Amino acid sequence: DTGVSQDPRHKITKRGQNVTFRCDPISEHNRLYWYRQTLGQGPEFLTYFQNEAQLEKSRLLSDRFSAERPKGSFSTLEIQRTEQGDSAMYLCASSPTRLAGYNEQFFGPGTRLTVL
Amino acid sequence: AQKVTQAQTEISVVEKEDVTLDCVYETRDTTYYLFWYKQPPSGELVFLIRRNSFDEQNEISGRYSWNFQKSTSSFNFTITASQVVDSAVYFCALSEANFGNEKLTFGTGTRLTIIP
Repeated sequence: DTGVSQDPRHKITKRGQNVTFRCDPISEHNRLYWYRQTLGQGPEFLTYFQNEAQLEKSRLLSDRFSAERPKGSFSTLEIQRTEQGDSAMYLCASSPTRLAGYNEQFFGPGTRLTVL
Repeated sequence: AQKVTQAQTEISVVEKEDVTLDCVYETRDTTYYLFWYKQPPSGELVFLIRRNSFDEQNEISGRYSWNFQKSTSSFNFTITASQVVDSAVYFCALSEANFGNEKLTFGTGTRLTIIP
């Protein structure tokens, strides 16, 4: 399967711990997005990468959050000093870049984080 | 700023009935894209359709049809002869077209339950 993959699929942690999620985009997709989805809500944009460059961050991404895409391939999202409000599904999506038209985003299965 | 409103939080219909999911959007851009996604209990977002702002032609795909009306800023989704497998949360989304961050703005979703 060559779709977007995310690891882990589920993570339970205690408040105050650090967690890191990984996203592997579709090969050769140079755009990568992170979204967060809380219970009963739609996904909300967190951040966007074009290759290894992080070009936009939502104000939802507090100082405790950091995302990287070191070689323009996989990406990691780290949350430091987790809080109960961080409990959510974290979704990753990737897309190619074409010269015209919309670049379809393909979503991964998500990582569900529960902070106790 | 862009915004998507799905006023229907939950809908339940008996199998084989038709059902329409409403979506109203706001954007200042003249060029944008609208989407519908399905999220079954497994959690993965499944892409259903994309329309661009210059194409108001309605579309039918099997039991699914979409009605795009720029005059009312609406992009409604109808399922004909509903089936139990259609039970899911459905999200309408908007992306302002720009060569760069094509982040999606999602509505809060409509939970559709098909009663057998």
